[in-house]
Amino acid sequence: GEEVAQTPKHLVRGEGQKAKLYCAPIKGHSYVFWYQQVLKNEFKFLISFQNENVFDETGMPKERFSAKCLPNSPCSLEIQATKLEDSAVYFCASSQSGQSNQPQHFGDGTRLSIL
Amino acid sequence: AQSVTQLGSHVSVSEGALVLLRCNYSSSVPPYLFWYVQYPNQGLQLLLKYTSAATLVKGINGFEAEFKKSETSFHLTKPSAHMSDAAEYFCAVSFPGSSNTGKLIFGQGTTLQVKP
Repeated sequence: GEEVAQTPKHLVRGEGQKAKLYCAPIKGHSYVFWYQQVLKNEFKFLISFQNENVFDETGMPKERFSAKCLPNSPCSLEIQATKLEDSAVYFCASSQSGQSNQPQHFGDGTRLSIL
Repeated sequence: AQSVTQLGSHVSVSEGALVLLRCNYSSSVPPYLFWYVQYPNQGLQLLLKYTSAATLVKGINGFEAEFKKSETSFHLTKPSAHMSDAAEYFCAVSFPGSSNTGKLIFGQGTTLQVKP
C-alpha cells in the first residue's frame, strides 16, 4: 500500500497479559523500524528489520519484547507479561533502504494501555 | 554521545507571526537531520530533511530549516504561522557510516500553539 498500516489503533490489556501489534510497511520498502513513544514525547527506537532479517535490535528490551517480519505477512511486535510501564504509543515506520539519509514513513501508531 | 535537543517544549505564536522552533545536535560526525510534525492521534509526517546537500532546506507547508555546522543547529522556521500549524514538532537525527543503521534519534518535541 501507499501508507504504513498499523493495527489495532488501540489495544487494552490487563497487566501480565500478552500484547501483539502489527505493521504493514509501504509496498516496496525493505526496512521496517519500531519506535515507542511514551507520554506524547520521548520516541525510543526499539528494533529494525531488513526484509525478514533483524537489522538493529539495540533498543529492544532484553525481556518480554520480541518482533518478527515474515514474508507475505505484516510485521509484528509482541510483548509478553505486560507491565504498566509498557503503556505507550508504538509506531512503525518503513523506508526504501536502510541508509541513514532516507526518510522514514510512519504509521499512525498503536496506543497500548496496560491496566 | 549523539543526541538532539529541542529548546522550548512549548512555543506560542500569533497567527501570521514568525515561527521559530529550535533544534541542536551533538555529534562527532556530520549528521542527517529531519523535522517531523505530529498532529493529534496521528503518526509523524516528514516536513523536511538535510542530507548534506544545500544547507537551507525547504519543506512542505511553507517550512524551511537551515543547517549551521558551526552552531550544531537545524532550526525550523516559517514566516507566517497559520492556525493549522498547531501541532507537535520533532527534530530527529541519524548518522552516516556502516556502523549506523538508520535509526532515528529524536528530540523531546515542541508543541506549537497558534493564537488567533
